[in-house]
Amino acid sequence: DIQMTQSPSSLSASVGDSVTITCRASQGISNYLAWFQQKPGKAPKSLIYAASSLQSGVPSKFSGSGSGTDFTLTISSLQPEDFATYYCQHYNGYPFSFGPGTKVDIK
Amino acid sequence: EVQLLESGGGLVQPGGSLRLSCAASGFTFSSHSMSWVRQAPGKGLEWVSSITGSNGNTHYADSVKGRFTISRDNSKSTLYLQMNSLRAEDTAVYYCAKLVSDWGQGTLVTVSS
Repeated sequence: DIQMTQSPSSLSASVGDSVTITCRASQGISNYLAWFQQKPGKAPKSLIYAASSLQSGVPSKFSGSGSGTDFTLTISSLQPEDFATYYCQHYNGYPFSFGPGTKVDIK
Repeated sequence: EVQLLESGGGLVQPGGSLRLSCAASGFTFSSHSMSWVRQAPGKGLEWVSSITGSNGNTHYADSVKGRFTISRDNSKSTLYLQMNSLRAEDTAVYYCAKLVSDWGQGTLVTVSS
């Protein structure tokens, strides 16, 4: 089974900062990688699929990159509504799995 | 607009059973694989099960294999999760998802005596 790791597990940033979150797969998954945002008490929201493709309606401040085993999510110009937990997930065959999450909070 | 509406959650005793439903709309349900994802209190997301759209092939996480059964009724655009032999560690919010794009609002399952 493919294991997903994320780093850092949490980070503090200020409004206007740019941040980058890393996701690593235990084996190559091509570009079968998605990113989700989740706020407390809410359902996850899909941000990116196929490692770098933006879901419809997601602002271009979110960007993803990577292929194989190493992936990144970058959020530019952080706004108050961006403070949340971010998860990566592979879908390169079953079983799917999620990373443990990265919590982005306000410095 | 895609909508996924879960129902069926609640409080159940250890060893008991529960069936979750997810009513889908806004897309051609039969053409898409569907999944259940859960989140225990204060924890991360855990993939539980998926079912393909066309031939109904099913897949399960090891943690639920043999106890949970995913199914679908394409005529009703509805996804199901039959959960048997429930354990305390199955306590979670269960999300219906059209991975990797759309999520329901979740339904809480609490397994406790």
